Parts: sequence; C-alpha cells; structure tokens
Amino acid sequence: AQSVTQLDSQVPVFEEAPVELRCNYSSSVSVYLFWYVQYPNQGLQLLLKYLSGSTLVKGINGFEAEFNKSQTSFHLRKPSVHISDTAEYFCAVSATGEYGNKLVFGAGTILRVKS
Amino acid sequence: ETGVTQSPTHLIKTRGQQVTLRCSSQSGHNTVSWYQQALGQGPQFIFQYYREEENGRGNFPPRFSGLQFPNYSSELNVNALELDDSALYLCASGQGRVSPLHFGNGTRLTVT
Repeated sequence: AQSVTQLDSQVPVFEEAPVELRCNYSSSVSVYLFWYVQYPNQGLQLLLKYLSGSTLVKGINGFEAEFNKSQTSFHLRKPSVHISDTAEYFCAVSATGEYGNKLVFGAGTILRVKS
Repeated sequence: ETGVTQSPTHLIKTRGQQVTLRCSSQSGHNTVSWYQQALGQGPQFIFQYYREEENGRGNFPPRFSGLQFPNYSSELNVNALELDDSALYLCASGQGRVSPLHFGNGTRLTVT
C-alpha cells in the first residue's frame, strides 16, 4: 500500500518570495507522483506529474517538482509566488501497476501568499 | 471538449436517508473514480469504474455503491446516511493507465 505525508499543513509566504511544499511518500512498488491544486469551492486541478524519465518535472503556473527516489520525496517549488497562488495543494501517489490511477492523497498544504 | 460535471453542487440530507450523486465524465474518458474529501483532509478513494465494471475499491462500507453507464456517466449512491458522510464528493475521469485524472468541482453533502 502507498501513503503520502505532506510535512506542512500551512505555509505562509510573501508575494514574489520562493516557496517549497514538501511531500514524502511510502510505497513498496514503483509509483507515479502528482501534485494537484484546489481553490476554494472547486475541484482539483493537476499541476504536474512524474511518470518516468527526468526527475525534474515542470508544470503549469511556474511550478516544478523534483522526484528523489532515495529520499522518497516529491517536493513542489516555485521561485516567485503570486497572490493568486493562494490555495490548497495536494501531493498524490498511485502504484504504476494500477489501471486508471487510484490516487492516495496527502492531507494537503495550504499556501497563503501575503502582500 | 467538455470537462467533468457533477450534480447537484450542494445537498442536505437527514441521517438514515439515501442519496444519489451524479457525474458526467470528460468526453472520451472511460474510467471514472469517486473520492470523498472530508473537511480539512485530502480526498480518499471510494471506488473506480472502468467500462461499467468496478475496478477497485477503497476502505468504504458496502452502503457506498456506484454505477457507470454506457455513455460513461456515473452515479454514487450512499444508503443509511451517517453524520460522518458529510463531505465534498469528487468525481474524476480518465483514460488509460497513465492518464491523469480530471476532477469535477464536487458535490457538497451535508448530513444533519
């Protein structure tokens, strides 16, 4: 079985500062990794995904994440945040043997961008 | 290309009642998954359907059941509602093993 730990429940940051949202996973099999964003009263939007290949993955809205197999981590980064990035971010994992991605999510990290 | 749409957006039910939530998958997608997101938590996998057959289930009791129709739309049914069933229910569709899921905006269910 897989599990995901998001190490920070809330991350406050000033506008234009860099940010890192941390995610660690546990799995006995190879995994796919995802980051989703959820704005208030909305569903989840995919930011980026790691399936294979390059460990540095670039996504939408200037976000990127790095897959580190030895540390079982998939931290999300952005070099300069905007007020509009305020939202909740979820890290998720699925086993590569699963058809259709039965995702296991972390508890989420609320990113608060202050002016 | 239409996205994933869910109905209704909000619903209030009384403990012990039954509820049906509906989801229209994104065009061309043949897999649909349902997730429960309690307040302040991450989504939890309920079950998944592929081509009208259940293809995996999370740790939810049998009173949570579903259907996927030939047009790949889907229903989530919950019987004997409990207060703890109050949550945002998310539907997601996809196609293939490595196709990321596309989520709808969810149905907010409140059980009183």
